[in-house]
Amino acid sequence: EDKVVQSPLSLVVHEGDTVTLNCSYEVTNFRSLLWYKQEKKAPTFLFMLTSSGIEKKSGRLSSILDKKELFSILNITATQTGDSAIYLCAVVGGTYKYIFGTGTRLKVLA
Amino acid sequence: EPEVTQTPSHQVTQMGQEVILRCVPISNHLYFYWYRQILGQKVEFLVSFYNNEISEKSEIFDDQFSVERPDGSNFTLKIRSTKLEDSAMYFCASRINPTNTGELFFGEGSRLTVL
Repeated sequence: EDKVVQSPLSLVVHEGDTVTLNCSYEVTNFRSLLWYKQEKKAPTFLFMLTSSGIEKKSGRLSSILDKKELFSILNITATQTGDSAIYLCAVVGGTYKYIFGTGTRLKVLA
Repeated sequence: EPEVTQTPSHQVTQMGQEVILRCVPISNHLYFYWYRQILGQKVEFLVSFYNNEISEKSEIFDDQFSVERPDGSNFTLKIRSTKLEDSAMYFCASRINPTNTGELFFGEGSRLTVL
């Protein structure tokens, strides 16, 4: 059965800290891995990764995929209170079903 | 910027009643999804829909659930006889290209409360 596991489940840090969020997966016919940020309601897209070892970067956020070890990490540097959210990892397999992990709840304290 | 729109934003219903949740996907998107998220839990796949038929459905999507694209713009989720455990946020999502993966665009969700 396809599955996506995220760790840690929750994290509390102070502004300025760097955090690393993890996502490991097992999926048949892997196509891509996506990261989303969920604040109040709908998840909003951050990154899509399809190739191993190529870092995607957007401001203070970056992400990389390891298809051999079946995981991805999302890094956030110099965290701000506005980064407080649930970060979701989703993996797409052969049937184009997007399977979400349980998410990592990040709280950044001022 | 184009967006997925959902109505209603919140619906309260009595157990056993039928509910219809409506979604208007982004106009040039071809692949549609319904997900649900029970409060504090993960986003769970319900069903995917392409070319006017269900592509895949989860074990959650039993005979009480159905989806329809009645008029080429709306995409609806019907729950025939609601149960308490159907209380959740229901997200509609769409993407542009059926043969490549890409960003899944989410609506703001419809919160269903079953009493």
